[in-house]
Amino acid sequence: SQQGEEDPQALSIQEGENATMNCSYKTSINNLQWYRQNSGRGLVHLILIRSNEREKHSGRLRVTLDTSKKSSSLLITASRAADTASYFCATDLLNQAGTALIFGKGTTLSVSS
Amino acid sequence: DGGITQSPKYLFRKEGQNVTLSCEQNLNHDAMYWYRQDPGQGLRLIYYSQIVNDFQKGDIAEGYSVSREKKESFPLTVTSAQKNPTAFYLCASNQGQNQETQYFGPGTRLLVL
Repeated sequence: SQQGEEDPQALSIQEGENATMNCSYKTSINNLQWYRQNSGRGLVHLILIRSNEREKHSGRLRVTLDTSKKSSSLLITASRAADTASYFCATDLLNQAGTALIFGKGTTLSVSS
Repeated sequence: DGGITQSPKYLFRKEGQNVTLSCEQNLNHDAMYWYRQDPGQGLRLIYYSQIVNDFQKGDIAEGYSVSREKKESFPLTVTSAQKNPTAFYLCASNQGQNQETQYFGPGTRLLVL
């Protein structure tokens, strides 16, 4: 089945640096979402970008979507130790109302102080 | 407080035993979902339900069963047929239309004795 694939699998940076994670998917979508998961916890929704949008911002988060390349990126600016978590992209299936989201395997971000 | 709860936090299963994981939400959401997460992996869909008394199999339904007798409850039973049940199980819910944001519970970690 269709799946988003995040890249890189793991990312280690220093506090204050920017972190960029990428997601690629296989087929046309209605929207793409990014979620965050702290170790051993449930997922928390960060941002949703629709297929007709190219860029979206939320606080220190910036998401881009390139439907021609079937890819998205999540940028976290001025990272903090508290940003340490796994980040997942999730896609739906275009015109498949009643089906669920497809999650990628995630990028594990480690921010050291 | 509105939210989605899962219990127990940890669950131990003996060989050949069926165990049931609880998921309750008071968000008045129509749709509920069960995911399985293995270490270092993304989420895989087990079952989902768009409405009371109806549910569909996800990608890895074998060895699991669900019921949706009430809008707020979507219990998952891990049967003895599931030979590798050790994983982190996440329940989620949303309004069910156009696959918007999903709200996740804190998860249940299932271990085999």
